[in-house]
Amino acid sequence: DTEVTQTPKHLVMGMTNKKSLKCEQHMGHRAMYWYKQKAKKPPELMFVYSYEKLSINESVPSRFSPECPNSSLLNLHLHALQPEDSALYLCASSQGLAEGGQYFGPGTRLTVT
Amino acid sequence: EDQVTQSPEALRLQEGESSSLNCSYTVSGLRGLFWYRQDPGKGPEFLFTLYSAGEEKEKERLKATLTKKESFLHITAPKPEDSATYLCAVQAHAGGTSYGKLTFGQGTILTVHP
Repeated sequence: DTEVTQTPKHLVMGMTNKKSLKCEQHMGHRAMYWYKQKAKKPPELMFVYSYEKLSINESVPSRFSPECPNSSLLNLHLHALQPEDSALYLCASSQGLAEGGQYFGPGTRLTVT
Repeated sequence: EDQVTQSPEALRLQEGESSSLNCSYTVSGLRGLFWYRQDPGKGPEFLFTLYSAGEEKEKERLKATLTKKESFLHITAPKPEDSATYLCAVQAHAGGTSYGKLTFGQGTILTVHP
């Protein structure tokens, strides 16, 4: 099973709201990733977790807060977002930081109003 | 800094008309080169990983090859359902703050007409 699931599929939130994106994988992968993708652009790395510890933070604004509760779950907490944060948010996982390919979930389409 | 350039930006083919997509890269020690397919509004779908020059991998109508400077994705007798954006990405060997990071190209938008 090479599936990464993400919820919700779509999210509309105001600039004062707090919401969370969720990601789950059951492939036994030890590395998990958050990406942001704008229209007609490639995915842009935000955060990397390895063995449930934050390994890479690509200088992402603090209004995005990642969390890895266990090896199968990855959350992205959102607070006080701006309209320019509207994008497709993708979760991915891989066997390890540099092991195997990264498998992506279907994404959450986020709209900030 | 690792760089990936894909060409062409867009490619229109007739059904059955074979062609190739190019991915040129510069990386400080290649650990792997990855090809993905992405349909509009969906996450990238993993296709291939290539690790060393001369390596080739095939899946249905797709064949990926790798040299020391570039990779090609050959599409043989494409069908309309092959229409998608094809992304290439590279990953450098361990070491430094970019460990595990994929560097993506801008993608090639492939349209196959019936």
